[in-house]
Amino acid sequence: GAGVSQSPSNKVTEKGKDVELRCDPISGHTALYWYRQSLGQGLEFLIYFQGNSAPDKSGLPSDRFSAERTGGSVSTLTIQRTQQEDSAVYLCATGPYQETQYFGPGTRLLVL
Amino acid sequence: EDKVVQSPLSLVVHEGDTVTLNCSYEVTNFRSLLWYKQEKKAPTFLFMLTSSGIEKKSGRLSSILDKKELFSILNITATQTGDSAVYLCAVLGRRNEKLTFGTGTRLTIIP
Repeated sequence: GAGVSQSPSNKVTEKGKDVELRCDPISGHTALYWYRQSLGQGLEFLIYFQGNSAPDKSGLPSDRFSAERTGGSVSTLTIQRTQQEDSAVYLCATGPYQETQYFGPGTRLLVL
Repeated sequence: EDKVVQSPLSLVVHEGDTVTLNCSYEVTNFRSLLWYKQEKKAPTFLFMLTSSGIEKKSGRLSSILDKKELFSILNITATQTGDSAVYLCAVLGRRNEKLTFGTGTRLTIIP
């Protein structure tokens, strides 16, 4: 596709379950970011991948959060043992470099 | 730690009015400032500013950066209902490679 895609678009899960969120970047984009946006809040940086470099994980809120990017393309954000405060929209953005970030449609996560 | 503060938090105006949204920032080794429009889930890119005093313009929207006073403004003239959205400001420093976002200004245009 022409843009960044994310799946699922919506996810409802029970507290304590693990979830996986997927991001398919625009082909050729080496930079990939995950952000979280809680209701009424700004975008919160989670993790950044750039090419084959070690990812910048400085924004991950706890060790329950992890992400990987296979082959420099698709990325998966995993949240283990979900908590209600994890409920948010999770946005993926990719770009040829940091300034130009194209955002995906996001995954709305609701933890009951 | 890099910081971005936007004001006002929300703004309600009538169609046809002109609005000015503000963004002030603190960032180590400033590299660029970006404005985004967020209507539903995904923000869409509006402007990238790197130099002071140079206005970027796109239709009814314009933006300018003041690197001495550490702020930027986004102007929208002759507002339309389709301008209703959250407008996000973000900065990128040379030390960090991630954008730091403000909490946004929620703009509502009343017909």
